[in-house]
Amino acid sequence: EVQLVESGGDLVQPGGSLRLSCAVSGFTFSSYEMNWVRQPPGKGLEWVSSISGRGNTLYYADSVKGRFTISRDNAKKSLYLQMNSLRAEDTAVYYCARGRIEMATKDYSMDVWGIGTTVTVSS
Amino acid sequence: DIQMTQSPSSLSASVGDRVNITCRASQSISIYLNWYQQQPGKAPKVLIYAASSLGSGVPSRFSGSGSGTDFTLLISSLQPEDFATYYCQQSYSSLYSFGGGTRVEIK
Repeated sequence: EVQLVESGGDLVQPGGSLRLSCAVSGFTFSSYEMNWVRQPPGKGLEWVSSISGRGNTLYYADSVKGRFTISRDNAKKSLYLQMNSLRAEDTAVYYCARGRIEMATKDYSMDVWGIGTTVTVSS
Repeated sequence: DIQMTQSPSSLSASVGDRVNITCRASQSISIYLNWYQQQPGKAPKVLIYAASSLGSGVPSRFSGSGSGTDFTLLISSLQPEDFATYYCQQSYSSLYSFGGGTRVEIK
């Protein structure tokens, strides 16, 4: 069974740091681009970051660029998000999501999601 | 960056109703548009990919159309399990972005 399980969410003070993890199973992890997507309480989805299968191509939303770092360990089948200089507006449920490219159209969607981990930034 | 705008932000409908949700991109994105459904307290699920292709296991009452900048998600006959929030997402740019969401509520 394909599964993504996030962990590492916590209550942290503004300016603090946190590292999220996503453990995957049930598919060839290194073959897939992976994403972090967040959802503030009562609000919509915001794409945060993505990383290629080999880990050599990274993208970030402007809202987190320079503060967050995405990484992966294909041997451990794990995805990470290092979050520094945290702000109140970073408070959200953070989901990891698998990227899938549809061969016929080359469209890219996020076809498998974890259940999320909650990050709260507050003093 | 590509901005995605959905309308309406919320709607009330009855079981059996036909429901349309629209999504507009700030620039042309060809057909690189996906629709997701999110039930309360759950992770999103992909409904439609590449603007009009039905996701795996998704009922045929869901359909998508459009290309360029304007897209539509149609639910032909609303069912009780369809009351949820729907999001569009563009994949034309590698800086993937979502629309603000449309909450479908029971009338």
